[in-house]
Amino acid sequence: SAVISQKPSRDICQRGTSLTIQCQVDSQVTMMFWYRQQPGQSLTLIATANQGSEATYESGFVIDKFPISRPNLTFSTLTVSNMSPEDSSIYLCSAGASGQGAGELFFGEGSRLTVL
Amino acid sequence: GESVGLHLPTLSVQEGDNSIINCAYSNSASDYFIWYKQESGKGPQFIIDIRSNMDKRQGQRVTVLLNKTVKHLSLQIAATQPGDSAVYFCAENIGWDMRFGAGTRLTVKP
Repeated sequence: SAVISQKPSRDICQRGTSLTIQCQVDSQVTMMFWYRQQPGQSLTLIATANQGSEATYESGFVIDKFPISRPNLTFSTLTVSNMSPEDSSIYLCSAGASGQGAGELFFGEGSRLTVL
Repeated sequence: GESVGLHLPTLSVQEGDNSIINCAYSNSASDYFIWYKQESGKGPQFIIDIRSNMDKRQGQRVTVLLNKTVKHLSLQIAATQPGDSAVYFCAENIGWDMRFGAGTRLTVKP
C-alpha cells in the first residue's frame, strides 16, 4: 500500500489568487493522478501527473488553469490558478503502487478549497 | 469530462441488516472494478476489487458481484454496522484510466 499526504488540508482563498497543493507519497509510485470532487458529487479526473514530462489533462481541464508538476516518483503539485468561487471543491491526489499496472489507487485525504 | 451535478442516491438500513449498493458502469472494455468507501472529510478508501474475468469476489463482510452482460456491479455488505455509514463509489478501470460512478450514501440506523 501507499500512504499519501496532502497539504494544505483546507484553505480559504480569495478570488483571483492561486494556490498550490502538494502531494507526497511514502514510496515510489508509477502513476499519480489529481481528482476534483465538488460538494456532494463523485470524483472527476483532472489529469495524470507524469514524471519528467507534461501532465495529461482530461477534457475540460487545461494546463493554464491547473498546472501540475511531478519532479520525481514520490511528489506532485497541483496549482489552481486565478481561482473563482466555482473552483471551491475538494482536490484529491491519488497514486498507483509501483509495479502493479492497472489496479488499486490510493488516495490522500484531500485538500478542501473554499474560494470567496 | 465532468459528471452531471446530481444529489447522491441514498440507502438507509437498520444495523445488522444486509446492504446492497448498485452501480452501472459505462464501458464494456473496462477490465477492473473497485469499490471505494469515503467517510466524511476523508479520501476514498479501497474496499474490494474484481477483475472482468470473475463474476463474484468475497472479502470480510463484503461481496462484489459483476454482471458484464448488463454492465452492472453491486456491493453487498453483511450485517451492516454504524461504522459502515459513508458514501460508496464504484470505479471502472481500463489500464490506468479509472472512472468513478456517482456514488451512494449509506446510512445505518442503530
